[in-house]
Amino acid sequence: EVQLLESGGGLAQPGGSLRLSCAVSGFTFSSYIMTWVRQSPGKGLEWVSSITGGSSTSYYADSVKGRFTISRDNSENTLSLQMNSLRAEDTGIYYCARGFSNLFDSWGQGTLVTVSS
Amino acid sequence: QSALTQPASVSGSPGQSITISCTGTSTDIGSNSYVSWLQQHPGKAPKVIIYDDRSRPSGVSNRFSGSKSGNTASLTISGLQADDEADYYCSSYTRRNTRIFGGGTKVTVL
Repeated sequence: EVQLLESGGGLAQPGGSLRLSCAVSGFTFSSYIMTWVRQSPGKGLEWVSSITGGSSTSYYADSVKGRFTISRDNSENTLSLQMNSLRAEDTGIYYCARGFSNLFDSWGQGTLVTVSS
Repeated sequence: QSALTQPASVSGSPGQSITISCTGTSTDIGSNSYVSWLQQHPGKAPKVIIYDDRSRPSGVSNRFSGSKSGNTASLTISGLQADDEADYYCSSYTRRNTRIFGGGTKVTVL
């Protein structure tokens, strides 16, 4: 069974940092592009970032480019998202998902990020 | 990139079939990019019910089916049940190596 479990969310101040993690199981992690998506009440679902199986290529939404960094550890079956220079508009639930261009077929339960002073 | 366009709401009676449309452009749905459909019940995480235009993840009912023509993708729910009442989102990969989402459709079972 495919499982994705996010962690690391919480409260951060504007300008602060948080690191999200996603532990996966039930499939060959290194064979899949992985993705982060967020959901906020005001903006709906928004794609954030994706990374290829071997970490050779990363993709970012314009809204997070230069502030967020996606990475993965295939030996630990873990996907990460380092979020710096956080803004109020980064508030939302962050989901990790399997796939990107295709096989976009499984999501985790999400972790809540709140950016507020 | 603009979001995909979905109707705000669709309703149907139990046992009926309903179809939700998702309209994009030639740079996303119309460029042979794969579409996924997600179901979200209140307070829950989204769940993929269709991926790669018409494939169903393991465990998803065959009452859900996806199709695509030109710049528009569609989700059909047949034999509508009370538990199908939820929000539904479409999502497409784009030629700019991004992924975009629709604004969501609220399905009401009358």
